[in-house]
Amino acid sequence: DTEVTQTPKHLVMGMTNKKSLKCEQHMGHRAMYWYKQKAKKPPELMFVYSYEKLSINESVPSRFSPECPNSSLLNLHLHALQPEDSALYLCASSNLGVDPRDEQYFGPGTRLTVT
Amino acid sequence: RKEVEQDPGPFNVPEGATVAFNCTYSNSASQSFFWYRQDCRKEPKLLMSVYSSGNEDGRFTAQLNRASQYISLLIRDSKLSDSATYLCVVSRGATNKLIFGTGTLLAVQP
Repeated sequence: DTEVTQTPKHLVMGMTNKKSLKCEQHMGHRAMYWYKQKAKKPPELMFVYSYEKLSINESVPSRFSPECPNSSLLNLHLHALQPEDSALYLCASSNLGVDPRDEQYFGPGTRLTVT
Repeated sequence: RKEVEQDPGPFNVPEGATVAFNCTYSNSASQSFFWYRQDCRKEPKLLMSVYSSGNEDGRFTAQLNRASQYISLLIRDSKLSDSATYLCVVSRGATNKLIFGTGTLLAVQP
């Protein structure tokens, strides 16, 4: 079962709000990822956690703060976002995260609107 | 120049047609290759990994030419349900970073 779940499905927040996106997988994968996808564009990598440690930060602004409480969970904390941060935020997981042959499986995403 | 290039389409084909998508990548250090499909407003779903020997899964066949840095996907006997955006994806390095092409839109017509 290649299931990655994400909550909430939709989120509308103001620029002064603090909110969190959540992602969970129960496939025993040891790598988890956050991607951002704008309309009609491909996903862009934001963060990679491998064995619960942050291994890649793609120069993401500090208003996005990832957290990996355990190997099954990944959070993305949001604070003081801008309207241009409105996008689909996708979580993915893969087996090990240290092998480029690893296949990544995506959750359904959280559609974020910043007003 | 983008690292992974695809024809954006759209490809409009009748049901039952055979359609081929092409993709080129610029970084010769790329190690792994995938095709994902993405339906409108949904997440990308892994269609298949692509191996040097080529691989087939039912109506779908993927080929990789490392010398030409070229990847292809062939869909035979197209179904209405094949309508989606097809994303060519490469991965390199120990960190498993995926680099996506811009996608090719396929619309299968009845």
